[in-house]
Amino acid sequence: GNSVTQMEGPVTLSEEAFLTINCTYTATGYPSLFWYVQYPGEGLQLLLKATKADDKGSNKGFEATYRKETTSFHLEKGSVQVSDSAVYFCALSDRRDDKIIFGKGTRLHILP
Amino acid sequence: KAGVTQTPRYLIKTRGQQVTLSCSPISGHRSVSWYQQTPGQGLQFLFEYFSETQRNKGNFPGRFSGRQFSNSRSEMNVSTLELGDSALYLCASSPGLAGAGDTQYFGPGTRLTVL
Repeated sequence: GNSVTQMEGPVTLSEEAFLTINCTYTATGYPSLFWYVQYPGEGLQLLLKATKADDKGSNKGFEATYRKETTSFHLEKGSVQVSDSAVYFCALSDRRDDKIIFGKGTRLHILP
Repeated sequence: KAGVTQTPRYLIKTRGQQVTLSCSPISGHRSVSWYQQTPGQGLQFLFEYFSETQRNKGNFPGRFSGRQFSNSRSEMNVSTLELGDSALYLCASSPGLAGAGDTQYFGPGTRLTVL
């Protein structure tokens, strides 16, 4: 079946550091890929998405590229801020079974 | 456009009781999904309703049930509560099925504590 694996946290960085959160997936078809973010005390919200291979999703300085050859969708940001502290979820949706699968989440702490 | 709303926001129950949580999706959205979030297990899918029909179900016991009304509002019920049911319950709505690639819009959640 389909699955999503993302790096375990917590990840702690200093402000202005470069961020990478790894996400790899297993899917038999051609899924859509997502990154959701959950700020403290809130529900999840979409950060970015990509629907086909080589698509790049971007938002708020974050980027992720849908890499079919490596089955990856790593999240990157060039210079993180304290306000980026949150839990980040990688997710996959598959039209073949109409399901969405979330990774376990990666907690990110940014130190001032 | 109003976001996804969940009521109540906080709930305290005792073991053996039952509880009903409510979710109002974004206007025009036909799909409502429910998730359980705990520190140990992370985000776990409970079920998805689309046009009043359950379309997908996660791996939870039958004590967990739900329904969707004709206006797309959804309720989730947990009977015979156990301590392990303490969690944040999140509701998400989308225009179409979650698996179709639509963005899900999440509510703030209901924090359930079982004593």
